[in-house]
Amino acid sequence: EVQLVQSGADVKKPGQSLKISCKASGYSFISNWITWVRQMPGGGLEWMGMILPRDSDTRLSPSFEGQVTISVDTSLTTAHLEWRSLRASDTATYFCARQSTRGELDYWGQGTRITVSS
Amino acid sequence: DIQMTQSPSSLSASVGDRVTITCRASQTIGNYLNWYQQRPGKAPKLLIYATFTLQSGVPSRFSGGGSGTTFTLTISSFQPEDSATYYCQQSHTPPNTFGQGTKVE
Repeated sequence: EVQLVQSGADVKKPGQSLKISCKASGYSFISNWITWVRQMPGGGLEWMGMILPRDSDTRLSPSFEGQVTISVDTSLTTAHLEWRSLRASDTATYFCARQSTRGELDYWGQGTRITVSS
Repeated sequence: DIQMTQSPSSLSASVGDRVTITCRASQTIGNYLNWYQQRPGKAPKLLIYATFTLQSGVPSRFSGGGSGTTFTLTISSFQPEDSATYYCQQSHTPPNTFGQGTKVE
């Protein structure tokens, strides 16, 4: 059974760093792109970027270039989303999802809620 | 970036109604169009991929159509459990953008 299990909710102050995780199981981790999606409070889904674990090829939306880093640890079958310096506007729920070979997001993590507040 | 525009932004439906949501892309995307359902507080769920294909386990009252730049999601007979927000997404060219969502109540 394919599963994506994300790290728990977190509360941070502006300027702090953060790395959240997405642990994949039940399929060949290196074969499928992992996508990250942001959902701000009361808002819609925003495609942030994706990474192919086989070679760490990464595609970031221009809206998120320079703001976040996407990485993988293939030994742990885990993808990460990282911020060096959080802002209040990063307050949101972040989802990871597996992209099928056809391009749709067929399996999703449960979401990680991040609150950035002084 | 390819812009995805859904209409309407929200709608109210009664049990048994036929519901249609439209999604328009700012440029042609072939059939690389997917639909998701999201209930409050939950992760999105894949409903339809590649414009027409129903994901396993999704009720047959859901269907997708269209091509090029204009696509539709149809619920043939609305059920109470279909109350949710629906999103289209193009997977033709990264960034694989989503529409803004349609809330169906």
